[in-house]
Amino acid sequence: GDSVTQMEGPVTLSEEAFLTINCTYTATGYPSLFWYVQYPGEGLQLLLKATKADDKGSNKGFEATYRKETTSFHLEKGSVQVSDSAVYFCALGGLNFNKFYFGSGTKLNVKP
Amino acid sequence: GAVVSQHPSWVICKSGTSVKIECRSLDFQATTMFWYRQFPKQSLMLMATSNEGSKATYEQGVEKDKFLINHASLTLSTLTVTSAHPEDSSFYICSARDRWGSEQFFGPGTRLTVL
Repeated sequence: GDSVTQMEGPVTLSEEAFLTINCTYTATGYPSLFWYVQYPGEGLQLLLKATKADDKGSNKGFEATYRKETTSFHLEKGSVQVSDSAVYFCALGGLNFNKFYFGSGTKLNVKP
Repeated sequence: GAVVSQHPSWVICKSGTSVKIECRSLDFQATTMFWYRQFPKQSLMLMATSNEGSKATYEQGVEKDKFLINHASLTLSTLTVTSAHPEDSSFYICSARDRWGSEQFFGPGTRLTVL
């Protein structure tokens, strides 16, 4: 069945370090892929998305490329800030999916 | 972007009482809304899918009589936790899907504490 697997956290980095959070998926069909971010005590916000293979989603310095050959959608940022500390969720869904599938979330802690 | 609101943002109730949580899409019509429960250590569990004008579809293991879902209009879905107990204490999040179904928009969540 359809599913998303993302790396477990927490991930702890120093400010200005490079970030990678791995996400792989299994899907029957052609999903859109998403990264959501959740700050403490809040709901989920869409960070970026990609709707087809080889698309790159980007926002606020974060990027992820939809790789069909490796079924991956890894999240990257070149230089993290303390304000990036949050929980990040990878997800798949879209027009032909009756629901969205979420990874288990990865907590990111950025230290000054 | 599309906005989804939830009310209340937090609620404390006594064991045995019922609590209603509202989810509204403020600037778009949502034919489908979803209800999630978030457990400690962040995992997000889909409870049910709510379609306007029809019965909700519950995920396996979610009690239909415990968690009543009503999607009375294209902008409002409600989740009622009936006869709440301390183990129902959690963070409940709703989301709405637009008519094109291309993405979900999340509400800010409701923190339920049952004493």
